[in-house]
Amino acid sequence: QKEVEQDPGPLSVPEGAIVSLNCTYSNSAFQYFMWYRQYSRKGPELLMYTYSSGNKEDGRFTAQVDKSSKYISLFIRDSQPSDSATYLCAMSDTGRRALTFGSGTRLQVQP
Amino acid sequence: DAGVTQSPTHLIKTRGQHVTLRCSPISGHKSVSWYQQVLGQGPQFIFQYYEKEERGRGNFPDRFSARQFPNYSSELNVNALLLGDSALYLCASSLGGQETQYFGPGTRLLVL
Repeated sequence: QKEVEQDPGPLSVPEGAIVSLNCTYSNSAFQYFMWYRQYSRKGPELLMYTYSSGNKEDGRFTAQVDKSSKYISLFIRDSQPSDSATYLCAMSDTGRRALTFGSGTRLQVQP
Repeated sequence: DAGVTQSPTHLIKTRGQHVTLRCSPISGHKSVSWYQQVLGQGPQFIFQYYEKEERGRGNFPDRFSARQFPNYSSELNVNALLLGDSALYLCASSLGGQETQYFGPGTRLLVL
């Protein structure tokens, strides 16, 4: 069993939709949680970084962490075609040296 | 300010050969981490270096090695290349190794 599970998609939504992306994890040592966006043939770009359980909002993006359920989510409001990319969840323990990634969810926003 | 830079962008090698990949971190960052991303998967941690010292190592064979230079740039070396080493190799930099990691564009390696 992988430490981090992420639905690979692809997920196809119409422009303007609310998108929900999710990851579950098994390692209770994970304390720091990140979402990266990766366009085709590019490196991952950091979107959100959270530590505590609860919600963190940044523009159209909201990251949600539930440590008791070992479940994290990323919500994208008013999705745009430019949001079409692969979204990777990543997490690390208190040492924060190595990131453990999910396999990524491919999102397609249709105009 | 320039972000993380990596060279070369693409590379084609044959089995058994050796390859060296290079990374320059964001100015002011002292830590570099290397990841391997196979097509359709998330990145996997290979190494982290801070102040020229190895601070972490992932589950990769000894064919993989790395080093960090006094200017904080880094090299990843892979010996005796296998077909399965074909992947996108990503470099990430952070201030001191325990902060947010910022990724470069990667080097795409194809082993034939």
